[in-house]
Formats: sequence, structure tokens, C-alpha cells
Amino acid sequence: KQEVTQIPAALSVPEGENLVLNCSFTDSAIYNLQWFRQDPGKGLTSLLLIQSSQREQTSGRLNASLDKSSGRSTLYIAASQPGDSATYLCAVQGNTPLVFGKGTRLSVIA
Amino acid sequence: GAVVSQHPSWVICKSGTSVKIECRSLDFQATTMFWYRQFPKQSLMLMATSNEGSKATYEQGVEKDKFLINHASLTLSTLTVTSAHPEDSSFYICSARDLNLAPYSNQPQHFGDGTRLSIL
Repeated sequence: KQEVTQIPAALSVPEGENLVLNCSFTDSAIYNLQWFRQDPGKGLTSLLLIQSSQREQTSGRLNASLDKSSGRSTLYIAASQPGDSATYLCAVQGNTPLVFGKGTRLSVIA
Repeated sequence: GAVVSQHPSWVICKSGTSVKIECRSLDFQATTMFWYRQFPKQSLMLMATSNEGSKATYEQGVEKDKFLINHASLTLSTLTVTSAHPEDSSFYICSARDLNLAPYSNQPQHFGDGTRLSIL
């Protein structure tokens, strides 16, 4: 059974810092991996999707990498801003629907 | 882009009431839709997979008689929480993949905005 772990569970940084969120998964037989953002009490916003054949994807200040063989992904956020404060969820898709990690709660302090 | 609409976004009701949540794919067709539940500060857990024209597949530990799922068309799935109690209070969110894009298994899941259910 696929399990997804995200570290750290919470992170607080001053504005302007670069930061890395980590995601690991136990079964490397995946089709793709997605990073989502969730604001308190809200739904999910898809940030980046990496297909299993890809190594990384970039969107603006966000860069996600995937090492399928080792079961790891990272989300890099450059020059963090207070508006980046949210919970970031990692999810993997294999032969089952998306399996989510518990998320990293990010606070960017102005 | 693909849009999934979920309604209502928020509902408060008394214990014992049944509540129906709708999930619609607005600009694509979906033979399969997925229902997730999220408790406060927890991750999203898959409850069931809704299949158009056939029975839903429930995850272990999810009561199918309590969480009734109907997927009557290629664009609509409903989740009915029957005789809801306070412990059913949670955030429910649906998602779907575009039937007509290939390979299907590799397509991203598109999510609705979720329904916050509060049972008094």
C-alpha cells in the first residue's frame, strides 16, 4: 500500500528566504506526482505535476523535482513571500487514485 | 482548463439529517470520480471511487450504507451522508479525470473546491 510522508510538518521562515519541502513515497511504481497548495478552509490548488518520466517541473518561483527510484520529491520555493503561507500537499498517482501526504504547513513572516 | 464544480460549499445541519453533495465536471466527461474526506489538520483520505452507471467502490472502513454514492451521468456524481452525526463533520472534496484524454491513468485529477459539513 502506497504511503506518502512529508517533512517537515510545519515550517516558519522570514520573508525572502528560499526553502525546500520534502516528500517521500514507499512504492516507486507511480504515474505522476503532484504538489498542491491548500489555504485554511479551502480546496486544493494544483501547483505542479511531474510525470514519472520527468525529473523536474518549474512554475515561476516554484521548482519540483522527482527521483522516482528513491521515492523522493522536493518542492523548492524561491524568495518566499507572506502570500506563500499555506499547507503544501504532495500526492502520488499509481494504479490507485491519488494518495496524499499529511502536508507541510508553511508560514512566511513579513 | 478542466473544472470540477462542487455544491454546496458549506452546510450546517442537525444531527440525523441527510445531506447531499454534488460534484460536476463542467467541461469534460468522467466515468470515474473520487470522493475524499479531510479531518482538521489531517490529510485527504480517499473514501470511495464513483463509477458511472455502476456501484461505487468503497475504501476499507467506509460505511457504504452511510455514504451513498450515485454517478448517474458522465458529468455528475453525488455523495449523500445519511443520518449524519457530529462525527461526520468534515471537509469532503471530489475529483475527476478527463475520460477523453490518453493515457487515462496518467491524467491529473481535477478537484472541486470542497464542502465543509458541520453537524450539530
